[in-house]
Amino acid sequence: GAVVSQHPSWVICKSGTSVKIECRSLDFQATTMFWYRQFPKQSLMLMATSNEGSKATYEQGVEKDKFLINHASLTLSTLTVTSAHPEDSSFYICSASRVFAGVKNIQYFGAGTRLSVL
Amino acid sequence: SQQGEEDPQALSIQEGENATMNCSYKTSINNLQWYRQNSGRGLVHLILIRSNEREKHSGRLRVTLDTSKKSSSLLITASRAADTASYFCANAVQGAQKLVFGQGTRLTINP
Repeated sequence: GAVVSQHPSWVICKSGTSVKIECRSLDFQATTMFWYRQFPKQSLMLMATSNEGSKATYEQGVEKDKFLINHASLTLSTLTVTSAHPEDSSFYICSASRVFAGVKNIQYFGAGTRLSVL
Repeated sequence: SQQGEEDPQALSIQEGENATMNCSYKTSINNLQWYRQNSGRGLVHLILIRSNEREKHSGRLRVTLDTSKKSSSLLITASRAADTASYFCANAVQGAQKLVFGQGTRLTINP
């Protein structure tokens, strides 16, 4: 159980276009989802926390108009990179949390999306 | 930054040996978790230790927690080539939903 699907796994786009990444919890309801960015050989950098039915909470330094997050249902959150530029090229990973054995912050991760902006 | 540190940054050992990774964190925690990431993939939750626990086992994994030193360690016994991956600790800050991930240890198990 606790499967998170992330799509697409890989995307190449031209500079100036927008890219949407989907994150779905397949077998559980996720009231909270998280979006991370990861550079090669580095740790995960939290971009934003997404709660179903409310606005996402962005981390300091993350442009909310650049990275649009929508969490319209308990099983789906989307990240849209607007007007992408080469510096946005990165590995983006989503996760979803649920309550398990009384613990509410174990996170279940998608497989990640590698974005390359030409 | 709230991000903790892990050491070593990279570890290469022979198959069958034990691997130990250490993690330090900065804030008060509810629990500390360890995750594994295979290259180019998402993370997989391995084990969680609560702030009132000192040691926990799961299969070949052993985790310790020392809240007085704000540190944790992950021991993988009898390592296998398939254990090759990056390992991250993550602490759950009290009162927050989010996790703060350490910098990670890249573990290579040589056959």
